Amino acid sequence: EIVLTQSPATLSLSPGERATLSCRASQTVSSHLVWYQQKPGQAPRLLISDASNRAAGIPARFSGSGSGTDFTLTISSLEPEDFAIYYCQQRSNWPYTFGQGTKLEIK
Amino acid sequence: EVQLVESGGDLVKPGGSLRLSCAVSGFTFSNAHMGWVRQAPGKGLEWIGLITSKADGGTTAYAAPVTGRFTVSRDDSKSTLYLQMNSLKTEDTALYYCATTGGSHWGQGTLVTVSS
Repeated sequence: EIVLTQSPATLSLSPGERATLSCRASQTVSSHLVWYQQKPGQAPRLLISDASNRAAGIPARFSGSGSGTDFTLTISSLEPEDFAIYYCQQRSNWPYTFGQGTKLEIK
Repeated sequence: EVQLVESGGDLVKPGGSLRLSCAVSGFTFSNAHMGWVRQAPGKGLEWIGLITSKADGGTTAYAAPVTGRFTVSRDDSKSTLYLQMNSLKTEDTALYYCATTGGSHWGQGTLVTVSS
């Protein structure tokens, strides 16, 4: 099973700042990595597929990069609605696995 | 509008069974690879099973914690995905989501509580 490790566990930033979230895989997943945003009481929302493709309706301030084992989600300028938990997930090998999440909180 | 609506969650005793349903509308269900993801209270996300489209063989796959106990199936005539859960354990307590395997569409989840 591929283990995904997200860092940091918690990121405290202010609106307008840049957020950089990391996801590292225990073995290569090529570009088969997705990023989700989850807010309390809501289902996950797809942000990025195939490591760098923004999903439909996702603002341009969200971008993804990386391949192989190291991936990054960047939010260029934080909006109040961006404070949430972010998960990466690999869909290279079954079982699909998620990282443990990064909580993005308001500083 | 795409909708995935789960139902069937309940309080059940350890060793019991439950069947979850996920009714889909707004896209061609028969072409979609579908799966189930669960989230224990206050915890992260876990893919537990998937089923490919019939055109791709209708193949199923399961995560280790549920193999042999859970079964994913689909009824394309009803645009509905199912999760049959047997021999339930307390650690199966979670919110169960259905989703497309690409992650673009999710339901709102249905709560399964396993407790005596």
